[in-house]
Amino acid sequence: DVKVTQSSRYLVKRTGEKVFLECVQDMDHENMFWYRQDPGLGLRLIYFSYDVKMKEKGDIPEGYSVSREKKERFSLILESASTNQTSMYLCASRLAGVDEQFFGPGTRLTVL
Amino acid sequence: AQRVTQPEKLLSVFKGAPVELKCNYSYSGSPELFWYVQYSRQRLQLLLRHISRESIKGFTADLNKGETSFHLKKPFAQEEDSAMYYCALGKQGAQKLVFGQGTRLTINP
Repeated sequence: DVKVTQSSRYLVKRTGEKVFLECVQDMDHENMFWYRQDPGLGLRLIYFSYDVKMKEKGDIPEGYSVSREKKERFSLILESASTNQTSMYLCASRLAGVDEQFFGPGTRLTVL
Repeated sequence: AQRVTQPEKLLSVFKGAPVELKCNYSYSGSPELFWYVQYSRQRLQLLLRHISRESIKGFTADLNKGETSFHLKKPFAQEEDSAMYYCALGKQGAQKLVFGQGTRLTINP
């Protein structure tokens, strides 16, 4: 059974802070994704990674960066958090060549 | 550009009634379509994919290329079907998905 875990379920940060969101998967998946989920907007892709040290911008990468130093871990970084980054963040992973994405439980980030 | 539209943010039906969640897409190539579901306090998970043409939990979805639609249907709704449903589009062979805005389905007893 694929397990995708995210470091925090709830996070509260202040404007201007540097924020790290961590995602770990235990099934040796090559592909990993970060989305944000907002009511009325659905899921929007922030960044994804084909494999270790490989990354590609998604649809809304502004204000975010990512790191994939190990296959199982994909980090999302908010360099200077802003209030408009308050959202639910979902991580997902996928085995290359297979269409299904497996999602983590989500991190609800509030930026004050 | 790829786009997925779910016109209904909220849908409420009575138990036992038929359900149809609408999904329209725009894509010039050969699309891969999916429905993902998120039950209360659970993770987002794949419900079904158009390629397999399967019925999952009584739900079916048919890809209509002429109307560029992939509506999700169930003949008799059950209370446990209450959830958030997302339609998603992927390019053939690509790894990225484009999600619709989501429809929150509520089944009333």
